[in-house]
Amino acid sequence: DTGVSQDPRHKITKRGQNVTFRCDPISEHNRLYWYRQTLGQGPEFLTYFQNEAQLEKSRLLSDRFSAERPKGSFSTLEIQRTEQGDSAMYLCASSPRVGYGYTFGSGTRLTVV
Amino acid sequence: QQQVKQSPQSLIVQKGGISIINCAYENTAFDYFPWYQQFPGKGPALLIAIRPDVSEKKEGRFTISFNKSAKQFSLHIMDSQPGDSATYFCALYSSASKIIFGSGTRLSIRP
Repeated sequence: DTGVSQDPRHKITKRGQNVTFRCDPISEHNRLYWYRQTLGQGPEFLTYFQNEAQLEKSRLLSDRFSAERPKGSFSTLEIQRTEQGDSAMYLCASSPRVGYGYTFGSGTRLTVV
Repeated sequence: QQQVKQSPQSLIVQKGGISIINCAYENTAFDYFPWYQQFPGKGPALLIAIRPDVSEKKEGRFTISFNKSAKQFSLHIMDSQPGDSATYFCALYSSASKIIFGSGTRLSIRP
């Protein structure tokens, strides 16, 4: 287990469809974060988990977005009824309980057509 | 609400020169001020970080200068190399919450 894995790497979907992304964090890391990054911008925080508990959600996370981390291991991010504005890179990161040294995955690039 | 402002948006530096990227933050207490480096198709990776009670931190060719009273901090890359060409993000970290990223600086090092 050498890093954070995200699947799929790329996803093209039609507007209105649902999509689900998966993130496998570094096994000993308690915290897991989801960020969204659009072209030319910095990552924007969406939500984070400490173990299986979702501790914070951004106002960017509309009702169409839901994230889970069952059993405090992998996490999924689902987007329902996708819109063109959802097109972005979705990044997952993990960290120890406390620490600024997040380890990011390579992201899932979502394109909504 | 934008809590950290980063400049410039893009920067071109000759090989061997000094690259300087600046960030200014607003009125909130943070525990660390990290810098992340991102290459195309990859997630950001931690480069260097500084605590707010330290004015400067150096790691190899990378130095953070921190001015608490002015609420500003900067990244200096000495002897810039083509391999340093990437996007750099300053960030604010609170142990009670999460990292907030700046908007990024695209750095290009000319050979």
